[in-house]
Amino acid sequence: DTGVSQNPRHKITKRGQNVTFRCDPISEHNRLYWYRQTLGQGPEFLTYFQNEAQLEKSRLLSDRFSAERPKGSFSTLEIQRTEQGDSAMYLCASSWTSHEQFFGPGTRLTVL
Amino acid sequence: GQQLNQSPQSMFIQEGEDVSMNCTSSSIFNTWLWYKQDPGEGPVLLIALYKAGELTSNGRLTAQFGITRKDSFLNISASIPSDVGIYFCAGFILTGGGNKLTFGTGTQLKVEL
Repeated sequence: DTGVSQNPRHKITKRGQNVTFRCDPISEHNRLYWYRQTLGQGPEFLTYFQNEAQLEKSRLLSDRFSAERPKGSFSTLEIQRTEQGDSAMYLCASSWTSHEQFFGPGTRLTVL
Repeated sequence: GQQLNQSPQSMFIQEGEDVSMNCTSSSIFNTWLWYKQDPGEGPVLLIALYKAGELTSNGRLTAQFGITRKDSFLNISASIPSDVGIYFCAGFILTGGGNKLTFGTGTQLKVEL
């Protein structure tokens, strides 16, 4: 399967712990995006990479959140000192052009 | 953040019926996309629209890019049980909106056998 993959699919953590998610985009795609989706809502943009450069960050991305794409391939999203409000589905998408974005299966985060 | 308005919020239809849903925005977009999302999964791209007035089909799905560039419509003909899910519209604008998609609030489709 050559689609976007995300790991882990599910993560349960205690408040205050750090968590890290990984996204592997479609191999020929140079653009990578992170979105967050809460129950009953559409995905909301968090951040965007073109190759290894992080070109855009949403105001939703507080200073507890950091994303990297060190070699322009896979990306990681880290949340430090998790809060219950961080519970959501974290989606990764990749694209060759900005508009046709292909999504992975997501990582469901539950903060207890 | 901004979300586009989708209607209806949910619909419960009989198998074989046609379905219509729409998406509206206060802003114009250069591209409209329609995605389907199953529970616990990521959105899957169904149709992309690039020009105002454009009508595009993908199997039983037909979508239109509104001429005002502020709305889009999705029709599903002869619905089947696997059409169940949440349908999201998403808009993209080349300037001012960065490189992000702005998503709608979703239309949940339930199909009765």
